[in-house]
Amino acid sequence: QVQLQESRPGLVKPSGTLSLTCAVSGGSISSSNWWSWVRQPPGKGLEWIGEIYHSGSTNYNPSLESRVTISVDKSKNQFSLRLTSVTAADTAVYYCAKTDYGVNAFAIWGQGTMVTVSS
Amino acid sequence: DIVMTQSPDSMAVSLGERATIHCKSNQSVVYNSNNKNCLAWYQQKPGQPPKLLFYWASIRESGVPDRFSGSGSGTDFTLTITSLQAEDVAVYYCHQYYSTPWTFGQGTKVEIK
Repeated sequence: QVQLQESRPGLVKPSGTLSLTCAVSGGSISSSNWWSWVRQPPGKGLEWIGEIYHSGSTNYNPSLESRVTISVDKSKNQFSLRLTSVTAADTAVYYCAKTDYGVNAFAIWGQGTMVTVSS
Repeated sequence: DIVMTQSPDSMAVSLGERATIHCKSNQSVVYNSNNKNCLAWYQQKPGQPPKLLFYWASIRESGVPDRFSGSGSGTDFTLTITSLQAEDVAVYYCHQYYSTPWTFGQGTKVEIK
C-alpha cells in the first residue's frame, strides 16, 4: 500500500517561499498515477493546488499558477511543491495526494502538514 | 472552473437515522469517453486527511461500509448514510475530476442529534 509523507517546514515569512516535499513509500512514483497537492485553510474547505506526472507533466490551479511550481525527483521517489510570495492567506494544512489510475479521484492522502505564514 | 455546491452546510441526525447530502455542479461532469460521472465523495474527521468514499459517483471504495451509498448523474449527486453511526460524524466533501482545476464542494458537517 502506497503511503505519502509530507515534510514539515512549519513557519514561513510573508513574501517568502513555501517549500514542501512528499515522500512516496510502498510504491514507485513512476507508476501510472498523478501526484497532487491540496490545501485546507484552518476551518475551511479543500483547494487543489496542482499535480504532476512522473514524466514531469504538470497541471496547476489558475488561481495559484503564477506562484506555484511542482516538481518530481524519481531518484528519491518524491515530489515537491514550491509556492512563492506567500501571504497569510496561504496559511493552511498542505496535503499531498495520489490519483489512482482508473479511479481518477484522490485515493491516497498524506497526513498533512500545517504551514503558517507569519513574521 | 466547475463550481460544486453542497447542501446542507451542516446537519444533525439521530443515531440510526438517514443522512442525505446533496452536491450540485454548475455543469455536467459526465465523461464522454466512458459515460461515467467524474464525481467523488470524501469523509474527513477532525485532524485527519480526507478519506475517499466513492468515485465515479457510485463506486464504493474498498472498506467503506455499505450503509454509505453514492448516486446521481450529470449535475446532481447524493451521498446517503442509511443508518447513521457515531463514527460517521465528520465533514463530507464532493469533488469533480471532470476538468481542471479539480474542485470541491464547501463541505457538509454531519453531527449527532
